Amino acid sequence: AQSVTQLGSHVSVSEGALVLLRCNYSSSVPPYLFWYVQYPNQGLQLLLKYTSAATLVKGINGFEAEFKKSETSFHLTKPSAHMSDAAEYFCAVSGRDTGRRALTFGSGTRLQVQP
Amino acid sequence: DAGVTQSPTHLIKTRGQQVTLRCSPKSGHDTVSWYQQALGQGPQFIFQYYEEEERQRGNFPDRFSGHQFPNYSSELNVNALLLGDSALYLCASSGGGGRTNTEAFFGQGTRLTVV
Repeated sequence: AQSVTQLGSHVSVSEGALVLLRCNYSSSVPPYLFWYVQYPNQGLQLLLKYTSAATLVKGINGFEAEFKKSETSFHLTKPSAHMSDAAEYFCAVSGRDTGRRALTFGSGTRLQVQP
Repeated sequence: DAGVTQSPTHLIKTRGQQVTLRCSPKSGHDTVSWYQQALGQGPQFIFQYYEEEERQRGNFPDRFSGHQFPNYSSELNVNALLLGDSALYLCASSGGGGRTNTEAFFGQGTRLTVV
């Protein structure tokens, strides 16, 4: 069984400030981990993914995340927030034991960026 | 490449009716997964199709059924609609060409409102 917990349903930062969105996972098998972004009335766009290579993963739009097995965490960070980063962010986990995997999502974190 | 396309984008149905949603996967993908995203929540996995068969299923009742066609496109059918079925329905495609370890690409979703 797999699950994802996203701490903080809403996060507000100032433009130019550090963005930190928290994600903890639970998985009975070695996981693959993902961060997706969703803009209003749109589908999900993949920001980055961890698939057992480097533990520090770089994604699009300046985002990165670090896989920490000891903490079962995969927090998303960006050094400097931009107004265009305002959106809903979802952390997701899947198992790597089968070729086609269903994603288990967290409940999401809404990021607000203040001018 | 048109990416994952879903139709219709919005629809309104009455309780007890039946609805069919459609999805065309990204070019080269052979696997289609469906997710339900209720307002303010993360997407929940409904089921996954490849080789024209349902391969995995989430915790959804039998009122939810699907189909995959030889061209890899897919339909999601929901019978006896309930008010609680109101949600954004997302289609994701992945896989193809013998590559099973590929990321999922999401469509824009279909917003279903049951009144």
